[in-house]
Amino acid sequence: AQRVTQPEKLLSVFKGAPVELKCNYSYSGSPELFWYVQYSRQRLQLLLRHISRESIKGFTADLNKGETSFHLKKPFAQEEDSAMYYCALSPASGGSYIPTFGRGTSLIVHP
Amino acid sequence: EAQVTQNPRYLITVTGKKLTVTCSQNMNHEYMSWYRQDPGLGLRQIYYSMNVEVTDKGDVPEGYKVSRKEKRNFPLILESPSPNQTSLYFCASQGGPGELFFGEGSRLTVL
Repeated sequence: AQRVTQPEKLLSVFKGAPVELKCNYSYSGSPELFWYVQYSRQRLQLLLRHISRESIKGFTADLNKGETSFHLKKPFAQEEDSAMYYCALSPASGGSYIPTFGRGTSLIVHP
Repeated sequence: EAQVTQNPRYLITVTGKKLTVTCSQNMNHEYMSWYRQDPGLGLRQIYYSMNVEVTDKGDVPEGYKVSRKEKRNFPLILESPSPNQTSLYFCASQGGPGELFFGEGSRLTVL
């Protein structure tokens, strides 16, 4: 079974401070990991995926297979980063590709 | 423009009055799913469909039905809505593994 845990329901920081949203997973096979973001009153959208190794809006996330983690980081938070963030896991093979979501972390960036 | 469209966006109804929330995608995706989003509980999958005429239960299917007669449409049916189904509902279609495209959401209130 696959499981995604986001231990923080709420993360509150000040503008310019570093941000780390935690995500831990359990899965016996080879996973693909994703971060989704939901800004206020908007639809969820894909922020980044680990296989792309990209930085989107200043956010990065590294897959740590030893610690089974995929934490989302940004060195200097901006007010417009305030949103709900969901970590998600999908099997990389096997046919179903059905993603599992964590419960989400609400990020609030204060001015 | 690639998109997932849900209707209605907002609905207030009464207990027991059947309703349908429509979902349509124009990306020719095989996989579609429905989620509900509740505070503190994150995203929970209701039903999903791997292809036309192929549907399966997600984590919280009770009180819901779906159908997939055409590839582009995946309606969510509440035969006899109850107040505990008051929630924000999202439809999604899937491109690659774990890569979901979400609709804008349908906020349902059952009185």
